Amino acid sequence: EVQLVESGGGLIQPGGSLRLSCAASGFTFSTYWMTWVRQVPGKGLEWVSRINTDGTTTTYADSVKGRFTISRDNAKNTLYLQMNSLRAEDTAVYYCTRALFYYDSGGSHYWGQGSLVTVSS
Amino acid sequence: DIQMTQSPSSLSASVGDRVTITCRASQSISTFLDWFQQKPGKAPRLLIYGASSLQSGVPSRFSGSGSGTDFTLTISSLQPEDFATYFCQQTYSLPPYTFGQGTKLEI
Repeated sequence: EVQLVESGGGLIQPGGSLRLSCAASGFTFSTYWMTWVRQVPGKGLEWVSRINTDGTTTTYADSVKGRFTISRDNAKNTLYLQMNSLRAEDTAVYYCTRALFYYDSGGSHYWGQGSLVTVSS
Repeated sequence: DIQMTQSPSSLSASVGDRVTITCRASQSISTFLDWFQQKPGKAPRLLIYGASSLQSGVPSRFSGSGSGTDFTLTISSLQPEDFATYFCQQTYSLPPYTFGQGTKLEI
């Protein structure tokens, strides 16, 4: 069974940094592209970032480019999102996602339970 | 960026009703369109991928259709557990892979 478990969220002051982790299990992590999606509570969904299988190709939404860094450790079956220079508008639940198929670089078909990040003074 | 326009934004219906939700893309996305269901406090759940393929374990009352710019999600006979918010997402070509704004389905 595919499992994605996020951790690392919490309350952080504007301008601060936070690193989210996503522990993956139930599949061969190193063969799938991975994606982060976020959702302001009670609002819509926003695609944030994706990373290829070996971590050499990364893509970001304009809203986080230059501030967030996606990475992965295939030996630890873990996906990361390093978030710097956090702003109030980054407040959201952050989801780790995976596509159904290994060849799909864009799908968000399996979702973790989410990790809430609150940026506030 | 490709814009996804979902309609309606909210919908009231009754158990047993047939319901259709639409999603329109600002440019052709072939069939790179997924549908999700989300209940309060939960992560989205995949219903339909590739515009019309039913995800394993999803009841057959859910169906998807469309290609190019216009897509529909149909629930043939609403059940009490179907009252939720529904989102579409396009995954055509390069990111960002944008979502529709959601349709809240209420009793």
